[in-house]
Amino acid sequence: DVKVTQSSRYLVKRTGEKVFLECVQDMDHENMFWYRQDPGLGLRLIYFSYDVKMKEKGDIPEGYSVSREKKERFSLILESASTNQTSMYLCASSLWAGSEAFFGQGTRLTVV
Amino acid sequence: DAKTTQPNSMESNEEEPVHLPCNHSTISGTDYIHWYRQLPSQGPEYVIHGLTSNVNNRMASLAIAEDRKSSTLILHRATLRDAAVYYCILSGKGQGAQKLVFGQGTRLTINP
Repeated sequence: DVKVTQSSRYLVKRTGEKVFLECVQDMDHENMFWYRQDPGLGLRLIYFSYDVKMKEKGDIPEGYSVSREKKERFSLILESASTNQTSMYLCASSLWAGSEAFFGQGTRLTVV
Repeated sequence: DAKTTQPNSMESNEEEPVHLPCNHSTISGTDYIHWYRQLPSQGPEYVIHGLTSNVNNRMASLAIAEDRKSSTLILHRATLRDAAVYYCILSGKGQGAQKLVFGQGTRLTINP
C-alpha cells in the first residue's frame, strides 16, 4: 500500500519557535509538495521539490523553508513560527508531472 | 500558471449521475488534467487524470473537450460517500512545471 506519512497529526507550538514538519514517502517518487489549507482559501502550494536537493517556491513561500536531503523525505521548516501560520499542512508526492499524487493525512499546527 | 474555473457548489441525488464541469481555457499542449477530491477531515485523493482522450477508471470518467479548454468529471452513480470537494487541476510536464496548484474546487452535496 502506497504511503505518504506526516510525522504528526496535531502540533502546538509557541510563537517564535522553530518548527519542523516531516514528510516521508515510500514510493520512490521524484516530486514532493507542501501545502497549507485554510477555511475559505483552499489548498495553497508553499514549496515543491522535483529532485533531491532541488526546491521551487510555490505560491506562498514567505516564512517557510524546505529541505530535501534524501529522496523519500521532504521537510517543511518554519524558522520563527507566527500565529498566522496556524493551519492544516498537507504533504504530497508524485512520480512525475502526469501521474497521480498521493497525500498524507495532514498536520494541524496551532501556533500560540 | 494555467488556471481552472469550477462552480463553487453542486447538488445531486443518490444513485444519479453527476457531471462536474471545469474550464481551463489557457491550457497548454502538454498540460495534464487532474481531478482530486477531498472528503471531510482527510487529505485529497486522486480520482482521475488525462491528456487528450476520454478516460475511465473504477471511480469515474473524464470527458475532455476536443479543444481541451474544458473537461467534465462524471460520477456514474453517486453515493453518499461521494460527497466531497472536487478539484480540477492542470499539471505541466517539465521541471518546475510539475507543481499541482489547487483552485477552490466544487463542493458536491449528495441527497439521499
